[in-house]
Amino acid sequence: GAVVSQHPSRVICKSGTSVKIECRSLDFQATTMFWYRQFPKKSLMLMATSNEGSKATYEQGVEKDKFLINHASLTLSTLTVTSAHPEDSSFYICSARDPTGGNRYTFGSGTRLTVV
Amino acid sequence: AQSVSQHNHHVILSEAASLELGCNYSYGGTVNLFWYVQYPGQHLQLLLKYFSGDPLVKGIKGFEAEFIKSKFSFNLRKPSVQWSDTAEYFCAVNRGNDMRFGAGTRLTVKP
Repeated sequence: GAVVSQHPSRVICKSGTSVKIECRSLDFQATTMFWYRQFPKKSLMLMATSNEGSKATYEQGVEKDKFLINHASLTLSTLTVTSAHPEDSSFYICSARDPTGGNRYTFGSGTRLTVV
Repeated sequence: AQSVSQHNHHVILSEAASLELGCNYSYGGTVNLFWYVQYPGQHLQLLLKYFSGDPLVKGIKGFEAEFIKSKFSFNLRKPSVQWSDTAEYFCAVNRGNDMRFGAGTRLTVKP
């Protein structure tokens, strides 16, 4: 079945630095990818919808200059957390839509970001 | 390795039929459990969640799920489905810093 690889699985960075998270569809071309964030003891929150070749659509309250999303190819979307702060520490997960696989969605394994 | 299994890949039901979607996980210890729904063309929405307390959890749109610790299961149920329930359903398990999703179950409800 469809596989989405998300890397890294865990990252620790210093305040003020930037971190890039990659989401790759390994065996299908993903025209649409979603980026989610999970806060402790809460459900996932949609951050943005990423469409290949166009600008991402951000949800209300999500700073697009802080969370840079690039979907430059049909198999790769990246989320860059710029000038990270401790409050950005969270679990980030992507999902990709496979248009040839019945439009099913597959999740990456997630990234645990800790900003110190 | 920790895993979340949704045994049904695709379920097809007629309206008013009862629904049960299976979810099993392999974590030990205390876990938080979620069911999400994704309607065609939309992002995930939370149906229900279990953190502690009553193992029978009621969610939105008439859905409920039962946590059975001894079976490592968190099955989703609805007594009478509607055509509008056609969607993909994902089970998710969180323990500590780890969160995993099941592969999803596509539900098709025929009118």
